[in-house]
Amino acid sequence: QSVLTQPPSVSGAPGQRVTISCTGSSSNIGAGYDVHWYQQLPGTAPKLLIYGNNNRPSGVPDRFSGSKSGTSASLAITGLQAEDEADYYCQSYDSSLSGYWVFGGGTKVTVL
Amino acid sequence: QLQLQESGPGLVKPSETLSLTCTVSGGSISSSGYYWGWIRQPPGKGLEWIGSIYYSGSTYYNPSLKSRVTISVDTTKKQFSLKLSSVTAADTAVYYCARQWAAADPDVFDIWGQGTVVTVSS
Repeated sequence: QSVLTQPPSVSGAPGQRVTISCTGSSSNIGAGYDVHWYQQLPGTAPKLLIYGNNNRPSGVPDRFSGSKSGTSASLAITGLQAEDEADYYCQSYDSSLSGYWVFGGGTKVTVL
Repeated sequence: QLQLQESGPGLVKPSETLSLTCTVSGGSISSSGYYWGWIRQPPGKGLEWIGSIYYSGSTYYNPSLKSRVTISVDTTKKQFSLKLSSVTAADTAVYYCARQWAAADPDVFDIWGQGTVVTVSS
């Protein structure tokens, strides 16, 4: 059971817009900690996609965007492409116990 | 361009200690503002942060693993290492090392190694 909750899967046709939610609580996202997003292509290591809620590292297409509100965050992919088929993970920090970095359970994006 | 590479045994017996090393190339392991972390991914499952270390030796561990984990650093070799004791089949996973950018809030894992598969089996 992950501290941050994501839907197991989302799907969309090429060109469509899909969103992935990341729901936390008052000890992590709701406490004001930012959210980062990672993309994991099949058989590869995760890659940083979005940091600080809505900032893209150099080289990440602007089709990817993030937002945060209250105890939740979202990743949006507009103009969905076949190469976007991957697992996506959100990450933040949880201040319960002695504090630690936490990930969501991951969302599989399927391009129909 | 900074790169990280994990190394270590791919098979560990139950109750023994898992030992992995991450070698940093193309940059410094002693840069201020960066921690160095270990993250694992069991087969078909999500990511779990294990622990992190600063070049000075300061460490943070996942509370759920803290009693079994030791992370150390050797700045002269540009390496940091993970030891996980008393392993069981539940510790079977792909283990990743990653650079942890502490200037972000919270820290973000901005560069990852390719990962190494560790299987716990007799």
